[in-house]
Amino acid sequence: QVQLQESGPGLVKPSGTLSLTCAVSGGSISSSNWWSWIRQPPGKGLEWIGEIYHSGSTNYNPSLKSRVTISVDKSKNQFSLKLSSVTAADTAVYYCARLVPTVTTYYMDVWGKGTTVTVSS
Amino acid sequence: AIRMTQSPSSLSASTGDRVTITCRASQGISSYLAWYQQKPGKAPKLLIYAASTLQSGVPSRFSGSGSGTDFTLTISCLQSEDFATYYCQQYYSYPPTFGQGTKVEIK
Repeated sequence: QVQLQESGPGLVKPSGTLSLTCAVSGGSISSSNWWSWIRQPPGKGLEWIGEIYHSGSTNYNPSLKSRVTISVDKSKNQFSLKLSSVTAADTAVYYCARLVPTVTTYYMDVWGKGTTVTVSS
Repeated sequence: AIRMTQSPSSLSASTGDRVTITCRASQGISSYLAWYQQKPGKAPKLLIYAASTLQSGVPSRFSGSGSGTDFTLTISCLQSEDFATYYCQQYYSYPPTFGQGTKVEIK
């Protein structure tokens, strides 16, 4: 049973860089799945940030692309998110999730519990 | 980006009711649609993928239908544990986008 666990600082200063890691347990990050980041501002809906394959291939949300970097560390079975030049608008719960690609669709079937990141001085 | 619009944004219902939530895509997305349930303080949980395929372990009172631009999530007999917010999501084209959510509350 694959499990995901986010970790990282809960408080980031404005203009700083948000850095989070998602540890994958119970399975290999080198499986035929993609690995995603999604966020949810307080009281709001879900926003897809981006995703990575174990080869290092990435896809990013154009609205965040200039500030986002997602990377993978196969040796540690984890992947990471960096979001630069943060503002208060980046305050959110950040989730990592496993994306399952099939012949006919894609879906995110395993999610981490989420970690709250607050941008404040 | 494809816009996903859910209706209603919220609804009140009683245990045992049949509940239907609709999701409309701004352009055709075939069956690249998933439904998620989210309870307060918890991560979203996958209910349905490929518009109508029930995720393993999800009760059969949940069902999904639709293709193209119009989709529905139906809860046939609402249970107390079903009071939550429901989101649709398209994965037909990048960036993947979510609906704004439908909050199902107790009447």
